[in-house]
Amino acid sequence: AQSVAQPEDQVNVAEGNPLTVKCTYSVSGNPYLFWYVQYPNRGLQFLLKYITGDNLVKGSYGFEAEFNKSQTSFHLKKPSALVSDSALYFCAVRAYTNTGGFKTIFGAGTRLFVKA
Amino acid sequence: GAVVSQHPSRVICKSGTSVKIECRSLDFQATTMFWYRQFPKQSLMLMATSNEGSKATYEQGVEKDKFLINHASLTLSTLTVTSAHPEDSSFYICSARASNGNEQFFGPGTRLTVL
Repeated sequence: AQSVAQPEDQVNVAEGNPLTVKCTYSVSGNPYLFWYVQYPNRGLQFLLKYITGDNLVKGSYGFEAEFNKSQTSFHLKKPSALVSDSALYFCAVRAYTNTGGFKTIFGAGTRLFVKA
Repeated sequence: GAVVSQHPSRVICKSGTSVKIECRSLDFQATTMFWYRQFPKQSLMLMATSNEGSKATYEQGVEKDKFLINHASLTLSTLTVTSAHPEDSSFYICSARASNGNEQFFGPGTRLTVL
């Protein structure tokens, strides 16, 4: 069955340090992968997506993610965290299901806290 | 950046009634709009994708007759929750993608409570 896992409910990082928010997935076909962010008291925002091509995808606000097919992962990274990056991050995977039709599944979310 | 609005922001209705939620792209034309549902534990579910002038494409497991989607113009999509029941209570979020872009812009969401 199709699934997405964000193994960490919360990630704590000091400002200026690199950050990683993990995402792994399980699908039967080729996945489309997405990252979204939800800032406090604000709506969702799209960060980046992988459809095909270069495994390293660059997105908004200096974030990037690397598609790793062998490890079925799509971890979100940023070289130097900012306090303003503190938010809730969602990973999502879209794939064709073996029962027909596409399905998009979101992870449960990872809350990122960046301390000054 | 591009702005997407939703109306109403909150709605409370009685069980058995229908509720319509509007999603508008205010400063761009959106050929594609998406409807999501956010559950209490904060996980999101894509419900359907609507393209202007054509029928919506529903995700597997989403009832088409329960959640009616109309995308009548390049700036407006509506989601109607028909014969709502308490289990339909949720946070519904729309997003829009411009005709000439890849990025999605999200609305602020609509909190539906069915009594």
